[in-house]
Amino acid sequence: GAGVSQSPSNKVTEKGKDVELRCDPISGHTALYWYRQSLGQGLEFLIYFQGNSAPDKSGLPSDRFSAERTGGSVSTLTIQRTQQEDSAVYLCASSPDSSEQFFGPGTRLTVL
Amino acid sequence: AQSVTQLDSHVSVSEGTPVLLRCNYSSSYSPSLFWYVQHPNKGLQLLLKYTSAATLVKGINGFEAEFKKSETSFHLTKPSAHMSDAAEYFCVVRVSGTYKYIFGTGTRLKVLA
Repeated sequence: GAGVSQSPSNKVTEKGKDVELRCDPISGHTALYWYRQSLGQGLEFLIYFQGNSAPDKSGLPSDRFSAERTGGSVSTLTIQRTQQEDSAVYLCASSPDSSEQFFGPGTRLTVL
Repeated sequence: AQSVTQLDSHVSVSEGTPVLLRCNYSSSYSPSLFWYVQHPNKGLQLLLKYTSAATLVKGINGFEAEFKKSETSFHLTKPSAHMSDAAEYFCVVRVSGTYKYIFGTGTRLKVLA
């Protein structure tokens, strides 16, 4: 079956521009996560959505970052006024429960 | 607060020799622990998980991990390394009562021919 998909796979933008990253989770998965992986670093938790509960935004690094999940399915991570330090791979994962996360291929963001 | 510490950022082994990737956790509760693998230019994949059943957990590709409460450890092992095992490995803990996961900083495994 279809896995988690993310688009675009690569995004190059100029400093100060806004970007939107999209995640399509596996159908039926109630939990959805966003992580950031910088070069040579581990995964940094950003935000997660669980069903109809309020999202846990505790990992968002600044108010330039926001995310929404529409209809309990697709999610969009928005970064406003991008900075060079935002350059990283942004990973999305979904989960049917608390036992395992299924990861997408990631979006590589480069801010010039 | 719950956390995991991966004790080695890089590990090199020769093909056919044992692999040991070390992970210590910090948790006030019985934790749920995981190991994920990330091959170059590929997505993260679950290797194995511990969720308070058997303390010795077997995963895919011949990997296993043992939960040791007395040592607060969850080390990943494999008896014989293969070239295809070269990848980055992440130890992960789930925050109790939530769906939030905390990743370790990763261990890059290099397998020498």
